[in-house]
Order: sequence, then structure tokens, then C-alpha cells
Amino acid sequence: GEDVEQSLFLSVREGDSSVINCTYTDSSSTYLYWYKQEPGAGLQLLTYIFSNMDMKQDQRLTVLLNKKDKHLSLRIADTQTGDSAIYFCAEGPSGNTPLVFGKGTRLSVIA
Amino acid sequence: DADVTQTPRNRITKTGKRIMLECSQTKGHDRMYWYRQDPGLGLRLIYYSFDVKDINKGEISDGYSVSRQAQAKFSLSLESAIPNQTALYFCATSERTGSYGYTFGSGTRLTVV
Repeated sequence: GEDVEQSLFLSVREGDSSVINCTYTDSSSTYLYWYKQEPGAGLQLLTYIFSNMDMKQDQRLTVLLNKKDKHLSLRIADTQTGDSAIYFCAEGPSGNTPLVFGKGTRLSVIA
Repeated sequence: DADVTQTPRNRITKTGKRIMLECSQTKGHDRMYWYRQDPGLGLRLIYYSFDVKDINKGEISDGYSVSRQAQAKFSLSLESAIPNQTALYFCATSERTGSYGYTFGSGTRLTVV
């Protein structure tokens, strides 16, 4: 079945780059997504990448996609304390199936 | 106003009680979803609906039921609440096509005592 794996925790110092990794299983996924959940809030779409792209950059965010290895990463440049949150990777849709989410990576930024 | 509104935001209920969580949206999206979030387990899909006449079970539908009253409204019911249903519940919506993924509500924190 479909599964999305990500490490549960990441700790970085303010000003450093953060890299959050994700592996997925469904090679027919059309899009891959990164969502951000701040404390006490719902998930917000951070960015997404179409499956025929290798890279997408949006200000401090860089998404890299390796389709061969089914590996997705999110790089946050110049990480700030406001970036502390849980980051979810998601894949899909594939046909009429809902998105499949990873368990989330909790990013802690140390001042 | 929020695009996806969940009520209540917080609820404490007793074991065995019936409880309904409500979700309404102004996005005009056809598709709606209910997830629960537990620490270390991420998001798990309970039910989803691709239009008013379509209801589908997710991976953890036991103990839950849903009603899609209109395109904009999707309710989740716990017929007889039990303590292991204590969790954060999220409603989400999406378009039928397109790339923009889901829009989530702010969540309902449910505690069953």
C-alpha cells in the first residue's frame, strides 16, 4: 500500500539551513506537497511540486524531487524561530484516492 | 472569515455519549475529508466525500459516521464516544482537479473522559 515516511524530529540553529526528507511509495502520484502546522493550528499548504519537475524554489524554500528514489526534500534557508512547526509531506492524488500524509517532522529552531 | 470552519474548537465529553463535529466551507470545493491527528501517528483519514452523494471510508472509520448535508457541510459523528477517540480532528477540502492540495480547518480538540 501507499506509505510516506519522514523522520519525526529535526533541530537546527537559527540562521542555518534545515533539510526535511521524505520518501514515498506511489510512483503514479501527480503532485507532492509540503504542509506546515504551527502550534494550535491546522495544516497550511507550504509548497508543492509537480511530479515531472526536479526542483522548485520559492523564496527561502527549495523542494527537490528524485523520482527514481521516490525521495522528496524541503530545504529552508536561513531558518528562523518562526519556522518552528511540524512539517508534513504528502503524495497524490493518484486516480481518485485522497492524499497520503507522512507522520510529520517536528522542526525545532534554537536561537 | 475562515475558508473551512470547524465547530466546536474544543469539546470534553463522557464515555458513551454521542457527539457531532461540524465542518462548513466557503471554498466551493466538491471534496471534503475528516482526519484525526494523534502524537507520533500523524494524520489518519476517517472518511471522505467527493460530492454530496458520495461517502467513502478511510483507514480508521470504525466508531465514526459522517453526513454530507450539502456541498458546503460535512459532519462527523461519534455514536458512542470512547477514550481512545481523544484526538485532534481536522476537516479538509479540495477541488476536483488541480494542484493545490487541501485546505484545512483549524481543528477540533476532542477529549473523551
